Amino acid sequence: AQKVTQAQTEISVVEKEDVTLDCVYETRDTTYYLFWYKQPPSGELVFLIRRNSFDEQNEISGRYSWNFQKSTSSFNFTITASQVVDSAVYFCALSEARGTGFQKLVFGTGTRLLVSP
Amino acid sequence: EAGVAQSPRYKIIEKRQSVAFWCNPISGHATLYWYQQILGQGPKLLIQFQNNGVVDDSQLPKDRFSAERLKGVDSTLKIQPAKLEDSAVYLCASSLAEPSPEQFFGPGTRLTVL
Repeated sequence: AQKVTQAQTEISVVEKEDVTLDCVYETRDTTYYLFWYKQPPSGELVFLIRRNSFDEQNEISGRYSWNFQKSTSSFNFTITASQVVDSAVYFCALSEARGTGFQKLVFGTGTRLLVSP
Repeated sequence: EAGVAQSPRYKIIEKRQSVAFWCNPISGHATLYWYQQILGQGPKLLIQFQNNGVVDDSQLPKDRFSAERLKGVDSTLKIQPAKLEDSAVYLCASSLAEPSPEQFFGPGTRLTVL
């Protein structure tokens, strides 16, 4: 069965600090996708990144970077020089790539990030 | 491009009443999902449609929840009768059938059952 674990319930940092959000996943599939979503106070889930199981290259997008390691089943997310606007709940999610193209997202419980000025 | 639309944004009802939520996906997205997000938890899939057919409804409490997507575009999720534990945010998402697996989410409907 698929499972996503985000052990950090809440993280508090001061602006400009770097912060890493951890994500550990479980799946029996060899083909799968991993995602990070941001949920600001407004409630809408905002897509941040997708990674497929065959691409272990790390990715950097501005202040955001992601570290995917299949050996440890982890897909961690780092925000460099955090800003107050980064305050939100961040969800890691996993989906299977089915032959028909249908996908089901399994979410972790989320990590609440609080960035204070 | 317009995003996923949902209405209403908020709903307060008493237990045992009925309620319905509406979702209009992004134009051209064949796959539509309904998720339930209880406070402090991640979203949980309730039902998934491919066009107007159900792909996965294994976690839908079918004794009280129902959903339809009659013309393969917009969708309605209904709860009848509601229970206190149904208080949650109901999120609708859509995606292209393939190849991209990204799901795009609407703003959600926050349901409070008193």
